[in-house]
Formats: sequence, C-alpha cells, structure tokens
Amino acid sequence: AQSVSQHNHHVILSEAASLELGCNYSYGGTVNLFWYVQYPGQHLQLLLKYFSGDPLVKGIKGFEAEFIKSKFSFNLRKPSVQWSDTAEYFCAVTPRSNDYKLSFGAGTTVTVRA
Amino acid sequence: ETGVTQSPTHLIKTRGQQVTLRCSSQSGHNTVSWYQQALGQGPQFIFQYYREEENGRGNFPPRFSGLQFPNYSSELNVNALELDDSALYLCASSLPSGAGVDTQYFGPGTRLTVL
Repeated sequence: AQSVSQHNHHVILSEAASLELGCNYSYGGTVNLFWYVQYPGQHLQLLLKYFSGDPLVKGIKGFEAEFIKSKFSFNLRKPSVQWSDTAEYFCAVTPRSNDYKLSFGAGTTVTVRA
Repeated sequence: ETGVTQSPTHLIKTRGQQVTLRCSSQSGHNTVSWYQQALGQGPQFIFQYYREEENGRGNFPPRFSGLQFPNYSSELNVNALELDDSALYLCASSLPSGAGVDTQYFGPGTRLTVL
C-alpha cells in the first residue's frame, strides 16, 4: 500500500517569505499526485495536480510543485506568501493502476504572520 | 465551493448508537468517495461508490457501510459507534475512474462526536 510523508507539521512564516513544503511517497508504480489546501473553516480544495508531462506543475494562487521521480517527492513551493495563505496543506497520492483511493499525508499547518 | 454538499454539519452520538451521514455530489459526477479525518491527521479513505456499487474499500471494519442512489447522492452508515469514530467525515465526488484519471472534489464534511 502506498504511504505519504509530509516533512513539517507546522511552519510559521512572515509575509513575503518563500514557502517550501516537502512531500514524499512510497509506491513503486506510476502515481498521480495532488496538493490540497484547507483554509480555516473551509473545505478541502485542490491546489494543483500532476498526472504526467512536465514535472513542474503550476496551480492556483501562485503555488507550484515539482515531481522528482527518482526521489519519490512532490514538493510544494510559493515564492512569496501572503497572510491569506494561512491554512493546512495536504499532499495526496493515488496509484495510476488504482486511482480511486487517495492516500493523504498528515498535513502541514502553515501560519503566515502579517 | 465545489458543489458537493453534506448533511448534517455536526452530530453528537453516544457509544453503541448508529449514524447516517449524507452527501450530494457535484453536478455531472457519478462517483462518490468517503473519507474519515481524525483530529490532526490527513483524511483516510473509507470506500468509493460508482453506479450504486462499492468500487473499492479502505481499511475500515464492516460496521462502516454505504449506499449510492440513482441520483448519485450517497450515505455513509456507521453502526455500533465507538469513541474513536469521532472525526470529520468527508465526501468527495468525481468522474468515474475508468474514464481516465480525474480529481476528487470535497464537501465541507460532517463533524461527528461520539460520547
């Protein structure tokens, strides 16, 4: 079974700082990769996804993620965060052969100080 | 907003009771998945329904069961509630996985507290 590991439990940043959240997965086959975000009081929303092609994926709100197959990683980045980026961020994976089941990491809480 | 709705928003039950949670999928989506999100953890896959049939199941006991209706709405039933069942229950809808890879869109969740 696949598993997902997110490196940081809680990250605290100041506005305009750069953000990078780590995500590693364990699965030997081809995968689909996602980053979801949960803003305070709101439901899970898709930030970006990778299925195939260019390993550098751009999502909404200035976020991007890079898939590095050799490292089983899919790290999320944003060059300059805003206070409104305060949220919980989840990395998720499905095996391409069995893509109904999303496996999530434990999440990283990001707090951006104004 | 994704168009996925869930009811109720909050629910309090006692151990041993049974509970039914409901989900209406986004328009055009005929696949519904259910997840359990315990406090401080990521969502855990419970099961998925496609065309009223269970299409896959995670590591949850049989007292977690579901239904999907012809209009693609869905129910999650949990029997013999335990304290550890306290969690946020999330519903997600998508296009069928057989039609190619697609994204799951989540509802706001139902917060279940078991006392």
